[in-house]
Amino acid sequence: ETGVTQTPRHLVMGMTNKKSLKCEQHLGHNAMYWYKQSAKKPLELMFVYNFKEQTENNSVPSRFSPECPNSSHLFLHLHTLQPEDSALYLCASSQGLASSYNEQFFGPGTRLTVL
Amino acid sequence: GDSVTQMEGPVTLSEEAFLTINCTYTATGYPSLFWYVQYPGEGLQLLLKATKADDKGSNKGFEATYRKETTSFHLEKGSVQVSDSAVYFCALYSGNTPLVFGKGTRLSVIA
Repeated sequence: ETGVTQTPRHLVMGMTNKKSLKCEQHLGHNAMYWYKQSAKKPLELMFVYNFKEQTENNSVPSRFSPECPNSSHLFLHLHTLQPEDSALYLCASSQGLASSYNEQFFGPGTRLTVL
Repeated sequence: GDSVTQMEGPVTLSEEAFLTINCTYTATGYPSLFWYVQYPGEGLQLLLKATKADDKGSNKGFEATYRKETTSFHLEKGSVQVSDSAVYFCALYSGNTPLVFGKGTRLSVIA
């Protein structure tokens, strides 16, 4: 595998379920990100991790819980979600924190549907 | 706060037509500007960037010039192909947050 991979690619869950999204990067990067992509809205940054430490949490509801056990893996744990949480969830990584020189590389995303 | 405004899509063009996707921004200081592209079923990938005023970014026949006086970074291509069909995102980095993205513009090119 190369680049940034995400599993599963599609997920349908009920509001009472608990599920997890997984992201893995094979680029040797130190920073990882979760984004939410909804139709007709800008890409929303959710969480940022740098060297496994969370550096940013953009007022994300507690029903989304990130975990970064090492620099190569990032999880997003989901519980008691709402239908409006249905979206494409994108993972990204960069060598250092994203800047003019540290390009972000994105995974293909997980398409989440909450019923 | 920082923000990016892109033209609303979708944009539908015939093959070999000229493409312009408008992007304007609001930011403190002197941001770096980017265009990302998202092909169907894939994540975003960097298309081109410019880090200072009057810089021109280019890649795969696409170009964009950083215009500080008009706070713009419009994406252009002289002759689009069906394979250019995708969603295009304008973004900026000003040192405050990792990246600020626009809403995206969907481009459909028909043969």
